[in-house]
Amino acid sequence: RKEVEQDPGPFNVPEGATVAFNCTYSNSASQSFFWYRQDCRKEPKLLMSVYSSGNEDGRFTAQLNRASQYISLLIRDSKLSDSATYLCVVNSGYSTLTFGKGTMLLVSP
Amino acid sequence: NAGVTQTPKFRVLKTGQSMTLLCAQDMNHEYMYWYRQDPGMGLRLIHYSVGEGTTAKGEVPDGYNVSRLKKQNFLLGLESAAPSQTSVYFCASSYTGSHSYEQYFGPGTRLTVT
Repeated sequence: RKEVEQDPGPFNVPEGATVAFNCTYSNSASQSFFWYRQDCRKEPKLLMSVYSSGNEDGRFTAQLNRASQYISLLIRDSKLSDSATYLCVVNSGYSTLTFGKGTMLLVSP
Repeated sequence: NAGVTQTPKFRVLKTGQSMTLLCAQDMNHEYMYWYRQDPGMGLRLIHYSVGEGTTAKGEVPDGYNVSRLKKQNFLLGLESAAPSQTSVYFCASSYTGSHSYEQYFGPGTRLTVT
């Protein structure tokens, strides 16, 4: 089983739509969870950390379900600028992270 | 601040040639990482360093060597390049090695081996 699995997409949504991505991870001992964003031909950048109680940052909401070992990202009121690949990231040790292959989002006018 | 920089941005090598990729960070970060990203494979860790003078192997270390002689620099070497090493290479750094800290990435080096 792959360590971090994501639906590659692409998810095609119109502006203003709400879209959700899920991610599953295999290491039950993982303690840190993140969503990174990667624009085409650019480097990944941290979008948000994911906390056990769930957390929100503007239009973005992240949830963690430890029992089922999955993480979700909800984007409300999608903007054209949200078009990117979203990487689910989980720690694989004290010092290292494992990145999912990413889910591509395309927001159209 | 420049953050994390990588040199060069692009490179084409012939099979068997060698090269060194340079990563530099000006954030006084202790930990540094080298990843490669291939289509359909996601980011994979090659080597990492927990401090000046130390290195450790990641998920895909074969064919690469690294050195961390100065805290701000992390070098990735390819001694004898192979077509399978055609990839985009990203360097990253973090304040500490604790998995809870954000990793900051450089802009990447696009390497083609023919």
